[in-house]
Amino acid sequence: DAGVIQSPRHEVTEMGQEVTLRCKPISGHDYLFWYRQTMMRGLELLIYFNNNVPIDDSGMPEDRFSAKMPNASFSTLKIQPSEPRDSAVYFCASTSWGQPQHFGDGTRLSIL
Amino acid sequence: SQQGEEDPQALSIQEGENATMNCSYKTSINNLQWYRQNSGRGLVHLILIRSNEREKHSGRLRVTLDTSKKSSSLLITASRAADTASYFCATDAAAAGNKLTFGGGTRVLVKP
Repeated sequence: DAGVIQSPRHEVTEMGQEVTLRCKPISGHDYLFWYRQTMMRGLELLIYFNNNVPIDDSGMPEDRFSAKMPNASFSTLKIQPSEPRDSAVYFCASTSWGQPQHFGDGTRLSIL
Repeated sequence: SQQGEEDPQALSIQEGENATMNCSYKTSINNLQWYRQNSGRGLVHLILIRSNEREKHSGRLRVTLDTSKKSSSLLITASRAADTASYFCATDAAAAGNKLTFGGGTRVLVKP
């Protein structure tokens, strides 16, 4: 039974480059969440989707961040241009209404 | 600021001992959830307790909820080395739909 799948697991790139993180939610889940985890700020919700529609993007730090969900089985989080302060672990999670969230194993992003 | 705040931030115990951690929150909730995160992995859901419940058990886990004090506790009995992880509480607030707000976590080290 496949869980939430994120790719890549690790990404190292230079500042100014575009970064794209990918997520495949669990089949049948209609909610998808993107989180960022850092030592300083803990786990922060960036954006979430319901039925592929963005519902709340108030956690997206700035215009350099964008997220899309073109269909029920795929979502991307893009950072352009990337900055060193974007270094963090980014998690995707999916769920159905009233159920616990299922997390992927995250993408560890390092911006040099 | 975070809805949930865990206490203590870190805990070190011997295998076989019990581990207790607490979570306080600020606003009315639909439910409160506890998650575990092993190093380098995503969060895994442990247990959900609804606002009208006071106590819940799952295996060696016992969760209590006191809505009058806006607090919850997680007890792990007869701890094992494999219980070494970070534990997070997350609140599903009444006005926030399916959005969770996570606390800063408690790092638990179980020494063999």
